Amino acid sequence: DSGVTQTPKHLITATGQRVTLRCSPRSGDLSVYWYQQSLDQGLQFLIQYYNGEERAKGNILERFSAQQFPDLHSELNLSSLELGDSALYFCASSPSGEPYNEQFFGPGTRLTVL
Amino acid sequence: GESVGLHLPTLSVQEGDNSIINCAYSNSASDYFIWYKQESGKGPQFIIDIRSNMDKRQGQRVTVLLNKTVKHLSLQIAATQPGDSAVYFCAENDSIQGAQKLVFGQGTRLTINP
Repeated sequence: DSGVTQTPKHLITATGQRVTLRCSPRSGDLSVYWYQQSLDQGLQFLIQYYNGEERAKGNILERFSAQQFPDLHSELNLSSLELGDSALYFCASSPSGEPYNEQFFGPGTRLTVL
Repeated sequence: GESVGLHLPTLSVQEGDNSIINCAYSNSASDYFIWYKQESGKGPQFIIDIRSNMDKRQGQRVTVLLNKTVKHLSLQIAATQPGDSAVYFCAENDSIQGAQKLVFGQGTRLTINP
């Protein structure tokens, strides 16, 4: 158990809908990272937050957004969902926002868009 | 653009043998590399990392080798055990202004035969 929690574990929704994925980092970790894992694209970095502020951005679509709250939990919002958004979404956390920190991954949320 | 890839998508070894998993990267500016293990139904788990100022680093039963000349990374697992069966990813840090932005390879599935 990495100490990172994600909810829900599974999510099934329809195209055009909006969902919110939630992540609680390890106790004391200030950075949260979001990743998408799909069969065709592999594991891709989406976005990083550090202590409430966006720190780095990856291949995140404009339909997707994220935020980190004062209690350091984070939410990833996915809107206007398409079939291709079906994937595993992982959250990871690290103690700081520095580049050489180990990231601890949560168990993931499996999103299925029908 | 940056890309991190693996030479072999699958690797099958006998229990007790040593395993070597390879990875090629293309961004010569990358200064930090990590190996992750992902078991079925779980998030990636950190195994070992190495910075670009090193060419070898050892952990418990694992060794990472970095050859910057040919932009090659490898993970050696000694005396493989059934619990080593998983998908292994290499990742490079495409650091942006001090942040950590990991670019993952496609992964190699390691199977341990009894």
